[in-house]
Amino acid sequence: AQTVTQSQPEMSVQEAETVTLSCTYDTSESDYYLFWYKQPPSRQMILVIRQEAYKQQNATENRFSVNFQKAAKSFSLKISDSQLGDAAMYFCAYRRGLNYGGSQGNLIFGKGTKLSVKP
Amino acid sequence: NAGVTQTPKFRILKIGQSMTLQCAQDMNHNYMYWYRQDPGMGLKLIYYSVGAGITDKGEVPNGYNVSRSTTEDFPLRLELAAPSQTSVYFCASSYPTPLSGRVQETQYFGPGTRLLVL
Repeated sequence: AQTVTQSQPEMSVQEAETVTLSCTYDTSESDYYLFWYKQPPSRQMILVIRQEAYKQQNATENRFSVNFQKAAKSFSLKISDSQLGDAAMYFCAYRRGLNYGGSQGNLIFGKGTKLSVKP
Repeated sequence: NAGVTQTPKFRILKIGQSMTLQCAQDMNHNYMYWYRQDPGMGLKLIYYSVGAGITDKGEVPNGYNVSRSTTEDFPLRLELAAPSQTSVYFCASSYPTPLSGRVQETQYFGPGTRLLVL
């Protein structure tokens, strides 16, 4: 079974600084997707960034980028120029390639990392 | 476009009561999901549907039922509420799309329903 581990329950960063959130996963599959979701106090789950396992290039979305190390099964999120609005729970999630169909397409989540941003 | 909507936002139930959590999406997505999030944990899949009339169990289906009579709606039913069902419930939807020999899919979440069973 696939698992996702976030080893940092809480992280803190100074406004305008850079922070990296860690995520490791375990799978025997070759085709899969990885995601970072943000959950602010409103509890809305917001997609931050996604990475296809078959792509070697790391995904980037404005101030958010990932370091995807497929061999090490590591998928860290880097937030640059941190803003107060970045304060939230961040969840790393895994999904098998949808060619497998059905519930194999569901997201498997880590336990989350709570990010605080200090002004 | 409202996206994924969920009602109610918050509900308190007594043990043994029943209720239906509503979920609707207006994006014409064929895939829909129900997750629960327990305190300090990530989300776990309860049930999912790949289209109207088709549903299947996820990781934690016990104590729940679903139906999918239309593309838009995917209600979650709790028949005999138990304290262990105290959680935040999220509905999500997606539209898997073939692209370059693979299937692209991103799940969009509703705002969640907080349920307290006492």
